[in-house]
Amino acid sequence: QQPVQSPQAVILREGEDAVINCSSSKALYSVHWYRQKHGEAPVFLMILLKGGEQKGHEKISASFNEKKQQSSLYLTASQLSYSGTYFCGTEVRGSQGNLIFGKGTKLSVKP
Amino acid sequence: NAGVTQTPKFQVLKTGQSMTLQCAQDMNHNSMYWYRQDPGMGLRLIYYSASEGTTDKGEVPNGYNVSRLNKREFSLRLESAAPSQTSVYFCASSGYGTESYEQYFGPGTRLTVT
Repeated sequence: QQPVQSPQAVILREGEDAVINCSSSKALYSVHWYRQKHGEAPVFLMILLKGGEQKGHEKISASFNEKKQQSSLYLTASQLSYSGTYFCGTEVRGSQGNLIFGKGTKLSVKP
Repeated sequence: NAGVTQTPKFQVLKTGQSMTLQCAQDMNHNSMYWYRQDPGMGLRLIYYSASEGTTDKGEVPNGYNVSRLNKREFSLRLESAAPSQTSVYFCASSGYGTESYEQYFGPGTRLTVT
């Protein structure tokens, strides 16, 4: 079952914050976050392995609520370079590391 | 260290033609994957290989076959291309089973079937 990402798209001004959510109907073992710029391959941002775990990458951080089967990606003080489409990939136990990706959230950061 | 490489970058096929997409990684990863990406659909897993000599179906395997030639190479074959297979194809690899198993993606193959 494909995880649901929200919002589908968001437009920000430089310096503004954003939150992208990823919700699954299945119990999750881990959540992965990737960013893809137009015409390029997806690039890994971070993995969250434990419930309630938060990780950070530059000014991008994420949380994972295992009970609610949800993860959120937080982008603070956004920069032009943050523009792109963000995907969450969810892993269920026993899936041998295979991920099911959401449909993506398109983030546009304007000057 | 090239990471994950894919050939070709672009391809146009006529309906019914066949072709093989090539993928190679130099990170000594056990796991390799083939995805297709269609507008608004995200990445959907076609086939994966957890180790050399093994392959398994993913979410959308119909119309495709794969070969894990060795630890480095994982190819995807379209036996009789159909317009519904027009898509961007990504190969990926990961060190699943190790401490850090994020997926590394190749640059993609843009395939058009007319």
